[in-house]
Amino acid sequence: EIVLTQSPATLSLSPGERATLSCRASQSINSDLVWYQQKLGQAPRLLVYGASNTATGIPARFSGSGSGTDFTLTISNLEPEDFAVYYCQQRGTWPLTFGGGTKVEIK
Amino acid sequence: EVQLLESGGGLVQPGGSLRLSCGASGFTFSSVGMTWVRQAPGKGLEWVSTISATGENTYYADSVKGRFTISRDNSKNTLFLRMNSLRAEETAVYYCAKDMLHFANWGQGTLVTVSS
Repeated sequence: EIVLTQSPATLSLSPGERATLSCRASQSINSDLVWYQQKLGQAPRLLVYGASNTATGIPARFSGSGSGTDFTLTISNLEPEDFAVYYCQQRGTWPLTFGGGTKVEIK
Repeated sequence: EVQLLESGGGLVQPGGSLRLSCGASGFTFSSVGMTWVRQAPGKGLEWVSTISATGENTYYADSVKGRFTISRDNSKNTLFLRMNSLRAEETAVYYCAKDMLHFANWGQGTLVTVSS
């Protein structure tokens, strides 16, 4: 099973700042990495797939990068609605696995 | 517009059984694999099971293998998850999601509470 480790667990930032979230895989998953955003009481929302492909309707301030074992989600200019929990997920090998999440909170 | 609507959640005793359903609309259900993902209260996301478009191929998390069964009725655009021998730690919101590998569309979830 591929283990995904997200860091930091919590990121405290102000609106307008840049957020950098990390996801590290226990073995290479090429570019088979996905990012989701989840707000309290809501289902997850797909942000990025294939490590760097932004999903339909996702603002340009969200971008993904990385390959192999190290991946990054960047939110270039935090808007108030971006404060949420972010999960990575690998889709390269069964079983599919999720990271533990990073909470982006208002500083 | 893709819509997924889960039902069948509720309170069940440890060791009990439950069957979840997910009604789908807005896409060609019979052409798409489907997945169940769960989330315990205050915890992260956990993949549970995936089924291919025809139902020929199924995949399970080790934690549920042998106890849960995923199935589908393409004539009724409905996905199912039969859960047996439920454990307290399986209390969670269960989401159905469209596709097999990553998920652009999710239902609103149905809460399963395993407690005596």
